[in-house]
Amino acid sequence: NAGVMQNPRHLVRRRGQEARLRCSPMKGHSHVYWYRQLPEEGLKFMVYLQKENIIDESGMPKERFSAEFPKEGPSILRIQQVVRGDSAAYFCASSPGVTGGYGQYFGPGTRLTVT
Amino acid sequence: GIQVEQSPPDLILQEGANSTLRCNFSDSVNNLQWFHQNPWGQLINLFYIPSGTKQNGRLSATTVATERYSLLYISSSQTTDSGVYFCAVERTTGNQFYFGTGTSLTVIP
Repeated sequence: NAGVMQNPRHLVRRRGQEARLRCSPMKGHSHVYWYRQLPEEGLKFMVYLQKENIIDESGMPKERFSAEFPKEGPSILRIQQVVRGDSAAYFCASSPGVTGGYGQYFGPGTRLTVT
Repeated sequence: GIQVEQSPPDLILQEGANSTLRCNFSDSVNNLQWFHQNPWGQLINLFYIPSGTKQNGRLSATTVATERYSLLYISSSQTTDSGVYFCAVERTTGNQFYFGTGTSLTVIP
């Protein structure tokens, strides 16, 4: 049973370009969460999605960031017109249901570097 | 949001020593997990422990939900235990995890 998969593992973008980060949840998991980890800090929640629905995006910056989890395919975190401050590790987690009874399982992360 | 504090922030141990890491949280939670982030940045689930005590090999954890804290015990530490240990909690009514700032552990041979 493969774990949560993220790709790419490392992504380098120049300022102003777009970054697309992909997350495939564990088999059987229908809930996806995205977190951001700035250097030397803990993880901060960004967005929680179920298939075709954004449930909670209270941690997402208001501009340039968007997320989706389509009916088919991986969840995508999209960052438009990246700036240096977007450089961070972005982690995806999945769970089979509301986490009250299951916990979240994390992928290996995508390390974004903006030059 | 909920506040999650971990202590100590940094810890250096001789190989073979034992240690206790603490996580305090400011509100009721329905989920608590401990993670180990290894030097390559990967997050590894250690325990899902909203209450009670669990053990897995040299590691064990105890959460006292009514007093809003959790402890992670590492016994007979090894160099491979090095990394950052995070505690994360989910509030009773929410879905997001709130992470602590971590305890950075270095085990020296």
